[in-house]
Parts: sequence; structure tokens; C-alpha cells
Amino acid sequence: AQKITQTQPGMFVQEKEAVTLDCTYDTSDPSYGLFWYKQPSSGEMIFLIYQGSYDQQNATEGRYSLNFQKARKSANLVISASQLGDSAMYFCAMREWDYKLSFGAGTTVTVRA
Amino acid sequence: DTGVSQDPRHKITKRGQNVTFRCDPISEHNRLYWYRQTLGQGPEFLTYFQNEAQLEKSRLLSDRFSAERPKGSFSTLEIQRTEQGDSAMYLCASSLGETEAQEQYFGPGTRLTVT
Repeated sequence: AQKITQTQPGMFVQEKEAVTLDCTYDTSDPSYGLFWYKQPSSGEMIFLIYQGSYDQQNATEGRYSLNFQKARKSANLVISASQLGDSAMYFCAMREWDYKLSFGAGTTVTVRA
Repeated sequence: DTGVSQDPRHKITKRGQNVTFRCDPISEHNRLYWYRQTLGQGPEFLTYFQNEAQLEKSRLLSDRFSAERPKGSFSTLEIQRTEQGDSAMYLCASSLGETEAQEQYFGPGTRLTVT
């Protein structure tokens, strides 16, 4: 079974607007972590934000925030005030007890000027 | 902190040849991971080390694949008798592993093309 599901293959967003990237996950482990990574066309994976399963508040890092809804098993990424440099592939990933990451298929974001 | 480095960045090889990739993690990181990413997909876990011990191997890692991390520093991933299906980006990541929140830092990857 898929552990991470990203249902949006691609999204377009206007510069300076906000965009929400969906991510749902599946685990029976009570302790887990959720990560978002950005992969530009150059190929490197860049860590954006982390949410722990026991964290009471939604994580925020600059223009990135994570909308964590534990009961729904969703961990959506919100990028505010989009910039042209935000155009990239975005991956949601989950870490369970064994520390390895399980990734979703990714969402391509294209920011339009 | 010089980041995770991987060598080579690109490798083109003929089917049946052996290839070896190297990963140098961030120096104080004790955990090292290998992932494989095919075009349009997310990375898939292959194997990981804590120090020099290989703790887990994915079923994706056939007998033709072997990974080592001698002395708990750099790691090598070898693919023997390469097949066209091995064509992918091979990503290495490292982490400090002290807390559950510790993110994995990725290298630039090695893109393998098997002709």
C-alpha cells in the first residue's frame, strides 16, 4: 500500500499568490515524522519543513507552513507569496520507526509571472 | 559544513558492466542512506547505514547491488552486471540521527544511464 499519496501531479500559481500542495499518509506507527522536500530542475533535494506526529502546533518555516490534520492523516504544504524560484518538484515524505523516508510521487509547481 | 557529495555526477555504461558510486556524507553524520529515483517519481529507499553497520536493505536491492561504508565514513554503492532497468538517479543522504526530527541532507545524486 502507498504510504504517501500526492494527488496533484502539477499545479500552476501566479507570482505572489499562495499555493497548497496536498499530502496524505498511511501508517500504524504512533510515532512518525512528516517532511517536505523541494527538488529544482538541477536535481538536488532541499529540505523545507518537518512535522512530528506529537507536535501540537503546525510547523512553519518562513514562507512554508504545514497544515497537519492528524485525524485525517494529511500534511499539506502551504507556500505563501510564491516566487519564480519556487518552480520545482515538491515531495512529501514520511519517516517511521526505522528512520528511512517513504516519498510520494511529487507535485510539480510552476510559478507564473 | 560542506554538504553531502557524490561522485560521479553522471555515468553512462553499457549493459553488463559494473559501476561503483561514492558518497561522502556530512562529516559528523552517523547515518547514511541510499535512494533511487526514476524519472517523474519520488525517491525509493535502497539501504542505510548507522556508522559502518548496514541496518536495512530494501527488497529493491537485488543481489547485483552491494553497498559498503567502511570505517563509518564514505559509502560506496556497486551495481554488477548492469541492466537497462538500473538507469536512474542514485541519491545519497545523511543525518545526525540523534533526534526523530533530524532531517536527511541529500547529495546532488549520480545519474546512471545504461545503454
